[in-house]
Order: sequence, then C-alpha cells, then structure tokens
Amino acid sequence: GQNIDQPTEMTATEGAIVQINCTYQTSGFNGLFWYQQHAGEAPTFLSYNVLDGLEEKGRFSSFLSRSKGYSYLLLKELQMKDSASYLCAVLDSNYQLIWGAGTKLIIKP
Amino acid sequence: GAVVSQHPSRVICKSGTSVKIECRSLDFQATTMFWYRQFPKKSLMLMATSNEGSKATYEQGVEKDKFLINHASLTLSTLTVTSAHPEDSSFYICSARAYGGGADTQYFGPGTRLTVL
Repeated sequence: GQNIDQPTEMTATEGAIVQINCTYQTSGFNGLFWYQQHAGEAPTFLSYNVLDGLEEKGRFSSFLSRSKGYSYLLLKELQMKDSASYLCAVLDSNYQLIWGAGTKLIIKP
Repeated sequence: GAVVSQHPSRVICKSGTSVKIECRSLDFQATTMFWYRQFPKKSLMLMATSNEGSKATYEQGVEKDKFLINHASLTLSTLTVTSAHPEDSSFYICSARAYGGGADTQYFGPGTRLTVL
C-alpha cells in the first residue's frame, strides 16, 4: 500500500530551528509538496520538490532524497505565527496526491 | 488512519458538459467536507464547505450555480461542475473533517484531475 509518515506533533521554542521529517512509500513519484495549515484555514503551499537536494526559500527549506523516500521541512528563526499543522503530500505515478496526516507544530515563547 | 477517496481520479470531458466528482470518507463519518481547487504548485483554494443535510457555504467568487455541492450522507459529498469550460480544468481535492479524542482533523482525498476540452 501507499503511505506517508510524519510525526503527529512537535514542540519548539521561538527563535529556534525545527526539522519536520516525512517518509513515503508510494507507487511512483512525481513530486512532493509541503503545505502549512493554520486551524480553520485552507492549506498554504510552501514547497514542491521533484529532484534530490535542498531548496531554500527564506526561513523555510525543503529537502528531498528520492532513493530514501525521505523529505524534511526545515524552519529557521521560528516565530509564534509558525504554529500550525504541516502537511506532506506526494504525487504518485497516477498523479494522485497521497497525504500525510500532518504534523502539529507548537511554538513556545 | 482515516481514509478519504475521490472518484473519478481523472476525467476528460467536452466543453458544455457536466461532471460529477464524489468524495467519500471510508472509515469515519464526516458532517463537514471541504472542496478545494489546486492550481499548479499553488496553495489549495477553498471553494466551499459542505455540511451534511444542509446547503453548502461557498467562498467569495465561487459560482454556486456552476459548482453544485450535495452532502447527502455522513460519508459522501459530491461536486458537480456544470457546463464545464476549459478554464475549469484543474485538480479538485476534497477533505473530510473528523472529530475524535479531542482532536479536530482534516483528511484529504487524492484529488480528481479534470480536463475540459
């Protein structure tokens, strides 16, 4: 079967760095998305990786290793507004989205 | 974990025809389901909130007469794109809201890719 694993919840301190991991097993791979979702709001696109390596976009970076079926989202200089759920999703060989359950990130002062 | 399915996974239709997309929560009951539209490498745009047994709530700018939503049961919501046009071509994603153990979680479907010729 297809599945995506990411931690259910993480806690970090304001100003610190946090890494949210995502491992996947899917039938084929056409890219991996990271979304941020605040409670009661629609998910916001953060990144899309289809090639191995690290992509940096401001305070957020996303890494992909296709051979390991692994990605992580790195958040630097954490701010209280970064408290949200972070969703990992993979586009499989049929261009269907396989979703992780999301990681709830709690930022403490 | 909770599973949400969508059917069909992809559909190609001619301009002017109507297309129905189903969203099902397979192992839980969902009083609320959401319909999103995804543009390439963009955020998901919330189109409407579907509540079982009542009328859907549409977001500003979404035509309710064009995108008909029916949430007839606790496990099924349907989105019908009426008189589809090429600009309606997109990836449509649904999600279902689940409450349990003090948590309020959204589970997303795999999406339906609509191509209007």
